[in-house]
Order: sequence, then C-alpha cells, then structure tokens
Amino acid sequence: DQQVKQNSPSLSVQEGRISILNCDYTNSMFDYFLWYKKYPAEGPTFLISISSIKDKNEDGRFTVFLNKSAKHLSLHIVPSQPGDSAVYFCAARVANAGGTSYGKLTFGQGTILTVHP
Amino acid sequence: NAGVTQTPKFRVLKTGQSMTLLCAQDMNHEYMYWYRQDPGMGLRLIHYSVGEGTTAKGEVPDGYNVSRLKKQNFLLGLESAAPSQTSVYFCASRRAGETQYFGPGTRLLVL
Repeated sequence: DQQVKQNSPSLSVQEGRISILNCDYTNSMFDYFLWYKKYPAEGPTFLISISSIKDKNEDGRFTVFLNKSAKHLSLHIVPSQPGDSAVYFCAARVANAGGTSYGKLTFGQGTILTVHP
Repeated sequence: NAGVTQTPKFRVLKTGQSMTLLCAQDMNHEYMYWYRQDPGMGLRLIHYSVGEGTTAKGEVPDGYNVSRLKKQNFLLGLESAAPSQTSVYFCASRRAGETQYFGPGTRLLVL
C-alpha cells in the first residue's frame, strides 16, 4: 500500500518556466512533509519542507504548498533552470506519538524533472 | 567533514553469498537509517537505529540484519543474498529535530 504517491514519473519544462511537481498521500497521521532532490549516482539531498500546520513554505525559487483536506502537496520551482534537472522525491513523516516516529520517512516513487535550455 | 560515506560503492554477488555494507557518519548524529531504492518504488526503509547499540525494523527488513556497535557506524548485512536484493542502498543519518542526510549509495547486483 503506497501511502505517498507521485503519479507523474516524469516532467519536462522549458528553462525559465514554472515546474510543478505533485504528491498525494493517504495517511492522515503524517504531520511533516519534505522534498528531496537526487542527481544520478548521488544520494538524495534535502530541498524544502512543510509542517502540517502550514499551507505554504517558500525558499528562494522553491515553494511547497500543502492542501490537507485533499491530502495533496506540490512543489513549485520558479523559474526553472537546467541545473534543476533531477529526480524529486516527496516524503512524509508520521506525527510523533510519544516519541515513537523516530523521524522515519515514507517516500513517494519520485518524479524525473528535465529542464530544457 | 565527510558527512555520510558508504562502502563499497558497487558490488556484484552470487546468490547465497553474504556481505556487509558499511555506513559511516562524522556528524555525531544519533539516528541512522538504511533504505533501498528500486525502480518505481521510491526509497523504502529497511532498518534504523536511534542510538549506539539500538536497532529496529523498518518497512522491508526481511533478509537483512544490522548492527550499531559504534555511534558513527551503521552496518547492513545480507546473510544469504537473493536476486530480489538487487538494488541501490542508501544510508542516512540525522540529529534530533533535523532532516536526514544521505550517503552516495551502494549499488548491489545479485546474480
């Protein structure tokens, strides 16, 4: 049972345009959401996160939106650059119930973003 | 500061062979994790550790064992490798309240 889903395996955009990556989740106990970026032959690197008490978080060109009622989050990259071409993973963490989550993350399948010059 | 390192980078095993993957971090992190990444599946948690001498099962622990004898090291063992364990393995670590830092990965092929 995939609790975090990224239904678009790939996305292609032109340089300078907006990239929108989507993620859906089913577990209402998730309280914290993250996006990781991964280049080939490297490990994932943290990009941006959002707590479930917020609906938006912005960091430079990257903005994450959370719609709790729809159990949906999205990552917007504006403007997109060729260096943004990578695999993007959405991840979610279960709320700390008596300190037992231990920061365990559930990942989506990933979306390959290609930004064309 | 090397961050999170993984050894080896690539390995080929025959079915039934055993091996140990080493993860080392120099950031004095309490928490460490082992994931596997397979096409179309994202990263799935195998085992994790919340401190030296402690380990716990993740989402897909079968066929793997782990040990955390030293705070900086987290070992992942395959006692009898199977083709289904062909994957890319990532180790991660973190400090309480922070995000996970990942190593570069180990690519394992089991024939």
